[in-house]
Amino acid sequence: AQKVTQAQTEISVVEKEDVTLDCVYETRDTTYYLFWYKQPPSGELVFLIRRNSFDEQNEISGRYSWNFQKSTSSFNFTITASQVVDSAVYFCALTTYAPQGAQKLVFGQGTRLTINP
Amino acid sequence: NAGVTQTPKFRVLKTGQSMTLLCAQDMNHEYMYWYRQDPGMGLRLIHYSVGEGTTAKGEVPDGYNVSRLKKQNFLLGLESAAPSQTSVYFCASSYSVGKRGQETQYFGPGTRLLVL
Repeated sequence: AQKVTQAQTEISVVEKEDVTLDCVYETRDTTYYLFWYKQPPSGELVFLIRRNSFDEQNEISGRYSWNFQKSTSSFNFTITASQVVDSAVYFCALTTYAPQGAQKLVFGQGTRLTINP
Repeated sequence: NAGVTQTPKFRVLKTGQSMTLLCAQDMNHEYMYWYRQDPGMGLRLIHYSVGEGTTAKGEVPDGYNVSRLKKQNFLLGLESAAPSQTSVYFCASSYSVGKRGQETQYFGPGTRLLVL
């Protein structure tokens, strides 16, 4: 069965520090996709990134970067020079598929990140 | 484009009451999903739909029913609400861009439900 584990329940850092959010997943599929979503205090879910299992290149988007390592089944998320606006709950998710092709997301428990000024 | 909208935003029910949550999307997406979010558990899939007139069970379907009479709408019903259904409910929609897995789910703002 598919499973996503975010072992860090809460993280608190001071502004401008770098912070890494861990995500470990389990799947028997050879093809799968991994996602990160952000849930700010307002409550909506904001899509951040999608990565497929065949692409192990790291990705950088501004202050955000993602490290995908298939050998350790991890897809970690790093925020560089954190800002107060980065405070949110972050979810890692993994795809699994229904027979009709619908994408079913399996979410981790989430990591609550607090950036203190 | 409004994206994915949910009605209502917040509702309080008494045990045994029924209600329907409405999800609407204006992106012409084929797939729609209902999730619930509980503290410390992330989001879990309740039901989903791959097209108008079709629905299927997700991970936690018990106590819920769904209908997709129109492509843009996906309804989630609680026939007899229980305190265990107190949660935040999220609707999402997605389309396939031609390659399986590349579709991205876009989420609505959520509905907070309290069952007393």
